[in-house]
Amino acid sequence: VMTQSPLFLSVTLGQPASISCRSSQSLVYSDGNTYLNWFQHRPGRSPRRLIYKVSNRDSGVPDRFSGSGSDTDFTLKISAVEAEDVGLYYCMQGSFWPPKTFGQGTKVEIK
Amino acid sequence: EVQLVESGGGLVQPGGSLTISCAASGFIFKNYALNWVRQTAGKGLEWVSYISDSGSSVYYMDSVKGRFTIFRDNAKNLLFLQMESLRADDTAVYYCVRDSGTSYGDGEYWGQGTLVTVSS
Repeated sequence: VMTQSPLFLSVTLGQPASISCRSSQSLVYSDGNTYLNWFQHRPGRSPRRLIYKVSNRDSGVPDRFSGSGSDTDFTLKISAVEAEDVGLYYCMQGSFWPPKTFGQGTKVEIK
Repeated sequence: EVQLVESGGGLVQPGGSLTISCAASGFIFKNYALNWVRQTAGKGLEWVSYISDSGSSVYYMDSVKGRFTIFRDNAKNLLFLQMESLRADDTAVYYCVRDSGTSYGDGEYWGQGTLVTVSS
């Protein structure tokens, strides 16, 4: 089970934001990798992967997005929120599946 | 450029059937595993099903086992999801999602989605 917090985040433009994702079990796979991803889902768009394997930023993703964590506790940070960052953010584990499981989602809005 | 284009969604009555498809381009289709992920209003994103690159391994979420079938045509670069005994809680936007192996992980590329509405 993947548990995100908070489920709702209201942030002032230019301020940092942080989303937590906790797994009910360690996500370290037998190959040593931790298959924990972060996705952004903006209104009217398809979901987009931001971070893979905990901390690797996808191509084209602004460097204000960063991922960290290990074992069962993971964090997505936005160093300075911009207007285009409004939307839902999900963590997802692919270490122990099926099923691949998503967190409940965190809604980010601008204050 | 990797492209995944879903089609075939629509309105179907409870208990009915529907097959949705995903046309892929911009990569060597037969080399990549694929998934169907759905977005529902109440539950956010849900992984539905997975198929390996060759099609020999398939997996499903519990609530669709026995009702949904994932399959692919590697000669035509197409992915399918055959859905039977549809229920109201299957109503969702269904996305075709490409994995990228152990190096680059799951869910790297997403299609634009196709809406399936189950209602009488």
